[in-house]
Amino acid sequence: EDQVTQSPEALRLQEGESSSLNCSYTVSGLRGLFWYRQDPGKGPEFLFTLYSAGEEKEKERLKATLTKKESFLHITAPKPEDSATYLCAAATPYGQNFVFGPGTRLSVLP
Amino acid sequence: DTAVSQTPKYLVTQMGNDKSIKCEQNLGHDTMYWYKQDSKKFLKIMFSYNNKELIINETVPNRFSPKSPDKAHLNLHINSLELGDSAVYFCASSQEGQGDEKLFFGSGTQLSVL
Repeated sequence: EDQVTQSPEALRLQEGESSSLNCSYTVSGLRGLFWYRQDPGKGPEFLFTLYSAGEEKEKERLKATLTKKESFLHITAPKPEDSATYLCAAATPYGQNFVFGPGTRLSVLP
Repeated sequence: DTAVSQTPKYLVTQMGNDKSIKCEQNLGHDTMYWYKQDSKKFLKIMFSYNNKELIINETVPNRFSPKSPDKAHLNLHINSLELGDSAVYFCASSQEGQGDEKLFFGSGTQLSVL
């Protein structure tokens, strides 16, 4: 069964304290690995897509990387406005299906 | 301009009622979806629909039915609501064939069944 897990479940950082979020997946024939940010009361907002092992993408303080079994979202010198739930999703090879992980709830304290 | 909009934002109703949630996208996308986010925050696909086919997650009860009057709209009808249907429902859209099938989500409808 296709599965996506994320760790940690919750993470509290001080402003400026860098860290990484993990997304592990077991999906045969992965079509892509997606990262989204979700703020309370809102829908997820797209951040990155990664397609092949070794690929990296950056946006401001965020960098996403991909291996054959997991993806990392690195947050460098985070700010309070980076506080949100970060979701990863694996695109399966059949239909138009994305398997989402449960998310990591990030809190950045000033 | 909101790309994917859904209404209502909140829906409180009694068990056994029938309700609908509306969704519209102005992105010109071919495919629309309904996702359910449960209390543990897992997002699970319910339906995906484009002008060619409807793909139904086999775990979705047949009390749930998507209806698409046109390419820009995908509404969700729920019959005989049950307590376990309480969740946040998200509409989303994407465009096939561009090599990047990222999803654009609406802001969600929080359904509470009493």
